[in-house]
Amino acid sequence: GENVEQHPSTLSVQEGDSAVIKCTYSDSASNYFPWYKQELGKRPQLIIDIRSNVGEKKDQRIAVTLNKTAKHFSLHITETQPEDSAVYFCAADGDTGRRALTFGSGTRLQVQP
Amino acid sequence: DAGVIQSPRHEVTEMGQEVTLRCKPISGHNSLFWYRQTMMRGLELLIYFNNNVPIDDSGMPEDRFSAKMPNASFSTLKIQPSEPRDSAVYFCASSPTGRRTEAFFGQGTRLTVV
Repeated sequence: GENVEQHPSTLSVQEGDSAVIKCTYSDSASNYFPWYKQELGKRPQLIIDIRSNVGEKKDQRIAVTLNKTAKHFSLHITETQPEDSAVYFCAADGDTGRRALTFGSGTRLQVQP
Repeated sequence: DAGVIQSPRHEVTEMGQEVTLRCKPISGHNSLFWYRQTMMRGLELLIYFNNNVPIDDSGMPEDRFSAKMPNASFSTLKIQPSEPRDSAVYFCASSPTGRRTEAFFGQGTRLTVV
């Protein structure tokens, strides 16, 4: 089955700096790579996703890049703000028959004001 | 739509008792997932259903865990008997069928087994 590795586990940045979180996956059949943000005590919520026919996608201060050859994808947050502080999860969808997301272990991002 | 609805939000039970968690997916979504979240193991897929049929239950930890989806609008996850190591937040999620798309999560049930 799919295995998703995520790094770093914790990340502390100053407000206004950029943050980068990286993930690798094992199943070459994966085609869908979402990123979720989970605030303390709340549910994970999708912030951005990318599909395998696209190398990069941007939404305001958030961007995601995908390298299918190397089987890794990254989340980039620019001009970080205190409200960006949360746990971020990457995920991959694995083979077509399974179609259930496998999540990385999460990155706790702390933005220092 | 109110989104994915889970109940109860919090459950405290004694070791050995039966626990039933409930989930109502978003109307029209054909896939339903149960995840367990702990600090040590992160978000683990327990089981998922497609059109009410269990497709993959390889993540169910033991025979003490069982899940059902009797119809398109309701699913249960049962633990019998419960143990302290089952303490976690259990999330239900649903997604539309036919394409690779996001899973919409419920608010979760925080289970504490004492």
